[in-house]
Amino acid sequence: GAVVSQHPSRVICKSGTSVKIECRSLDFQATTMFWYRQFPKQSLMLMATSNEGSKATYEQGVEKDKFLINHASLTLSTLTVTSAHPEDSSFYICSASRKGGVNTEAFFGQGTRLTVV
Amino acid sequence: KNQVEQSPQSLIILEGKNCTLQCNYTVSPFSNLRWYKQDTGRGPVSLTIMTFSENTKSNGRYTATLDADTKQSSLHITASQLSDSASYICVARGGGGNKLTFGTGTQLKVEL
Repeated sequence: GAVVSQHPSRVICKSGTSVKIECRSLDFQATTMFWYRQFPKQSLMLMATSNEGSKATYEQGVEKDKFLINHASLTLSTLTVTSAHPEDSSFYICSASRKGGVNTEAFFGQGTRLTVV
Repeated sequence: KNQVEQSPQSLIILEGKNCTLQCNYTVSPFSNLRWYKQDTGRGPVSLTIMTFSENTKSNGRYTATLDADTKQSSLHITASQLSDSASYICVARGGGGNKLTFGTGTQLKVEL
């Protein structure tokens, strides 16, 4: 299967600072990338959908000025958590899809454990 | 409201035994149903994808079934191994925006 690499896998930052998470599709061109957040023992919650070269579409309740998403190329999307607070501590996961129909596979990254202290 | 419910919430079985995980979904219109395996602290890995016209699909020791009429799916794991210990997540695609709706997963633990 296709490979999606997420970096870093773990990050600890101080409250008030910003953190950038990268998501790369290593062996395919990802026209669409998705960012999810997962709290312990809960399901993945979609934060935003980004298409290469255009602005991300954010889900209701997700602050676009706090969670900055950039999808500048077909192989890279970044999520920047700005002015992080302890409540932003969570597991962030990206997924990437090729161009295709509704049955197109979505490949997930390994996830990033963010801890804000 | 699009929802995916899974049962049981957690399950412990002995190595070599079989088990079946259940999934009920209320996603409309429905596009497809997926099962993922998620190891602790890792991203989900796809096991199967089924459209409404498919009743069963296998991937090694994993066999998924789908009943689009009753909106139920199951994942059967045969001859379980210790490495099968993980969370198994049922995901339905469809509804407004044709998005993925995730279940909360069944936490499976395989013991010696």
